[in-house]
Amino acid sequence: GAVVSQHPSRVICKSGTSVKIECRSLDFQATTMFWYRQFPKQSLMLMATSNEGSKATYEQGVEKDKFLINHASLTLSTLTVTSAHPEDSSFYICSAPTSGSSDTQYFGPGTRLTVL
Amino acid sequence: AQRVTQPEKLLSVFKGAPVELKCNYSYSGSPELFWYVQYSRQRLQLLLRHISRESIKGFTADLNKGETSFHLKKPFAQEEDSAMYYCALVSGSARQLTFGSGTQLTVLP
Repeated sequence: GAVVSQHPSRVICKSGTSVKIECRSLDFQATTMFWYRQFPKQSLMLMATSNEGSKATYEQGVEKDKFLINHASLTLSTLTVTSAHPEDSSFYICSAPTSGSSDTQYFGPGTRLTVL
Repeated sequence: AQRVTQPEKLLSVFKGAPVELKCNYSYSGSPELFWYVQYSRQRLQLLLRHISRESIKGFTADLNKGETSFHLKKPFAQEEDSAMYYCALVSGSARQLTFGSGTQLTVLP
């Protein structure tokens, strides 16, 4: 099946710094990618929809200036957590649907962000 | 707004016993529902979707619009079925997924 990768898998940063997380579709092109946040023992919450060539669509309550999304190409979307604070510590997961089968989303392995 | 409810956070059954993971939804349109599974230390992956009416790894799920449910069932649970199961509904023009809170299934030997 299709593969989605994320980098890094784990990052620890100091409060106030910015962190960039990459999401790549390795063997297919994705005009749309999704970014989720998952707190411990909780479900995935959709943060935003990343659209190649246009602005991301953010879910209600998600600060677009805080979580910058760039869909630079058909295989890469990045999420930058700007001026990170401890409350931003979480597990961030991306997914991408394959074209022609838009209901089959393939998920990345996730990125564990810890802000000290 | 759409909502997916999984009432059981934890579910334990013995190997060989039947298992049912409950899922209820709320959606104004025609629902498209999925079950995703996450095995220990692995990424989330699609288990099955209601449109396909398929059986994957012995699991089935039937959409009941009258009861707004999409329960996941397996007649004989196996230890390797132990995992986190998420029910999800797709909506919106971009086909976003709304997930339930998940049910951790443990199949005991």
